[in-house]
Amino acid sequence: GQQLNQSPQSMFIQEGEDVSMNCTSSSIFNTWLWYKQEPGEGPVLLIALYKAGELTSNGRLTAQFGITRKDSFLNISASIPSDVGIYFCAGPTSGTYKYIFGTGTRLKVLA
Amino acid sequence: DAGITQSPRHKVTETGTPVTLRCHQTENHRYMYWYRQDPGHGLRLIHYSYGVKDTDKGEVSDGYSVSRSKTEDFLLTLESATSSQTSVYFCAISGGQGHEKLFFGSGTQLSVL
Repeated sequence: GQQLNQSPQSMFIQEGEDVSMNCTSSSIFNTWLWYKQEPGEGPVLLIALYKAGELTSNGRLTAQFGITRKDSFLNISASIPSDVGIYFCAGPTSGTYKYIFGTGTRLKVLA
Repeated sequence: DAGITQSPRHKVTETGTPVTLRCHQTENHRYMYWYRQDPGHGLRLIHYSYGVKDTDKGEVSDGYSVSRSKTEDFLLTLESATSSQTSVYFCAISGGQGHEKLFFGSGTQLSVL
């Protein structure tokens, strides 16, 4: 079945640094969603992407829908301590409303 | 925040007992989902619903059943709980103009002893 591979699995960065993470698939996706999850909470939607090549920002976060439609990228600029959490990519499997998730990138920010 | 309520928030049960988790939404969204989250596996889809009494299996549906008799409620049942079903369970909804977007509840921590 379709799978989403996220990298890196974890990141330790200094406050103020920029962060990049990505999500890849062997299959084409028509929608990419990026989520953040904090301990004890459900995932919260950050950014939704709908077209190949689309670049969308939400504050310090920027995400891109890859041209091949098989990948997506999330960047966080000037990280702050509250950026700590697990970031997931997600998308609907082809022709369905079944959403699958990547295994996540765990981000830790050192003050 | 999307109007999604999961109950209970925490439950401890014994192997072999039946367990039902409830998801209630106030958004009148068409689609509802149950996921489980385990370390190293991310979020895995158990079952989902695309309308009242319309459900379909996800990737980890064995040992679980669901029911949706009303738009606002989606129930997940473990007929005979096993220790491998110890997990955090999340309900999600989508629909309306932003139907491509999933919104999540706060989760249910289930421990099967």
